Amino acid sequence: AQSVTQPDIHITVSEGASLELRCNYSYGATPYLFWYVQSPGQGLQLLLKYFSGDTLVQGIKGFEAEFKRSQSSFNLRKPSVHWSDAAEYFCAVGQGVTGGGNKLTFGTGTQLKVEL
Amino acid sequence: DAGVTQSPTHLIKTRGQQVTLRCSPKSGHDTVSWYQQALGQGPQFIFQYYEEEERQRGNFPDRFSGHQFPNYSSELNVNALLLGDSALYLCASSREVRASNTEAFFGQGTRLTVV
Repeated sequence: AQSVTQPDIHITVSEGASLELRCNYSYGATPYLFWYVQSPGQGLQLLLKYFSGDTLVQGIKGFEAEFKRSQSSFNLRKPSVHWSDAAEYFCAVGQGVTGGGNKLTFGTGTQLKVEL
Repeated sequence: DAGVTQSPTHLIKTRGQQVTLRCSPKSGHDTVSWYQQALGQGPQFIFQYYEEEERQRGNFPDRFSGHQFPNYSSELNVNALLLGDSALYLCASSREVRASNTEAFFGQGTRLTVV
């Protein structure tokens, strides 16, 4: 069975500092990996996705993530955090006939707080 | 493009009652998935509908059922509500493309409170 682990429940960074959110997955085949962001009381917005190819993927809002098969990781990074980035971040792995749009397994999330 | 729309946004029900939540997928999407997100948790997959049939199901009891209509919209029904069913219910839509990869777009969710 597939699973996703986000080891950090809460992270606090200062505005302008760099950010790395960790994600480890367990999946028997080639994973389809995603990062979503959720603001309070809102749905999920896709930041970026990895299906195949270049292991460093660029997303929206200046985020990027690197797929490392040997470490079963897909960590999210941003060089300089803005106060508006404060939200909850979810890593997810996709499974299904066509992969990405099908059943997603999510981690428990990392709550990001940004100090001004 | 209106994106994925869900209704209602908030709902309060009593234990034992039944509830129906609705979802309209993003334009051009034909697959709808439902997720339950308990407070402080990540979303959990309930089931997915494609071509008006349930295609995949997560680890949820039969009290949870659904339907997809010819226009691809979907309903989630929960019978005999329990306090533990209180959660944010998220609908996600995607486009089925054989031998390809698509992404899921999420609605804003329906906040269900069972009292």
